Amino acid sequence: QITLKESGPTLVKPTQTLTLTCTFSGFSLSTSGVAVGWIRQPPGKALEWLALIYWDDDKRYSPSLKSRLTITKDTSKNQVVLTMTNMDPVDTATYYCAHRQSVPGTAHFQHWGQGTLVTVSS
Amino acid sequence: QTVVTQEPSFSVSPGGTVTLTCGLSSGSVSTNYYPSWYQQTPGQAPRTLIYSTNTRSSGVPDRFSGSILGNKAALTITGAQADDESDYYCVLYMGSGIWVFGGGTKLTVL
Repeated sequence: QITLKESGPTLVKPTQTLTLTCTFSGFSLSTSGVAVGWIRQPPGKALEWLALIYWDDDKRYSPSLKSRLTITKDTSKNQVVLTMTNMDPVDTATYYCAHRQSVPGTAHFQHWGQGTLVTVSS
Repeated sequence: QTVVTQEPSFSVSPGGTVTLTCGLSSGSVSTNYYPSWYQQTPGQAPRTLIYSTNTRSSGVPDRFSGSILGNKAALTITGAQADDESDYYCVLYMGSGIWVFGGGTKLTVL
């Protein structure tokens, strides 16, 4: 059974850096083709893809947020970390991590964490 | 900047059929975009319904189906039920490890 869980601060101040951790089980991020991504959702708004890291440490970022995002993995701990710099109130959102499986001919997020709400406010 | 378009809202009667679409602000959606669909109810994480255009995720009822209709990806719900009332999101794989979500469709069943 694959599970993912996001953790991190619930409140950050404007201009601070947000660090979120995705801890997962049921799969290995050293398996060829596997990836973990981050997606966020402001209250009442749509989902937005942020970043993704592949099993081989290849990293991809949303072009609109690339300058502010860093994604890393710790395979031994089954964790993926997302940092976002220079936080602003518009970054208030529920942040999800999700698993991309290594099935050829697919490119979707099969399993999702429960999400964690991050509020940006002074 | 690529924009993925979805109808903001849709309404269907119980037992009816509804087709939600997922398009591009410029160009046509094809299977090469590996369109996938997610269902989300308030306060819950998205649930994977359809991936790679038309493959149902495990446990998804067969009243949900995916396809390409014209120049858009489509999610069809046949025999809508009350608990299908949710937000539905499509996402397209743009290549080079980049995904773009649509704005979502709020489906009302009444």
